[in-house]
Amino acid sequence: EAQVTQNPRYLITVTGKKLTVTCSQNMNHEYMSWYRQDPGLGLRQIYYSMNVEVTDKGDVPEGYKVSRKEKRNFPLILESPSPNQTSLYFCASRVLAGGSTDTQYFGPGTRLTVL
Amino acid sequence: DAKTTQPTSMDCAEGRAANLPCNHSTISGNEYVYWYRQIHSQGPQYIIHGLKNNETNEMASLIITEDRKSSTLILPHATLRDTAVYYCIVRVPNAGKSTFGDGTTLTVKP
Repeated sequence: EAQVTQNPRYLITVTGKKLTVTCSQNMNHEYMSWYRQDPGLGLRQIYYSMNVEVTDKGDVPEGYKVSRKEKRNFPLILESPSPNQTSLYFCASRVLAGGSTDTQYFGPGTRLTVL
Repeated sequence: DAKTTQPTSMDCAEGRAANLPCNHSTISGNEYVYWYRQIHSQGPQYIIHGLKNNETNEMASLIITEDRKSSTLILPHATLRDTAVYYCIVRVPNAGKSTFGDGTTLTVKP
């Protein structure tokens, strides 16, 4: 089954304790992206990657790092989490086909709480 | 990406058509209109997209005005399961940046 998986789905941590949220897709998509969603707000893009070893900042990159060493994986790293990073996080992927199809496939989300 | 404006919320009776508007007056010639929806904190789901012609698929229809400054997503026979937040996004295909905005919360009522 074609899917985007995220782990963990739920995480409660404390300020300053480094954490990684993993994202993996099995569709051989070139593009992957991370979003955060806060109550009353839409999805805001954190980082994206157009291919292996190519990453770029989205609208809210501060406090986050990413890496794209393999095509299927795109982990989100919080080196020193703070309470304002408490949020619902989504990973997404899509193919870069050259046409207009822009279907992003989203993971189930990771709910992060930083105390 | 061009900025979009959507109503914050809308209601629709079950079985009736839901018409969700989106204004995108600053859209440029190579930008498409995409619609996604998000059901109760799940990952967003693609619905439909178009450039200037009306489009229809198994989920919905998309009507884009001739000047392309606005569009309407139509769910022809809304069901309770269509209750969700609907996002209208205007962007160039295959671009890296992606802005979702706040969307419209559609509530389908029995």
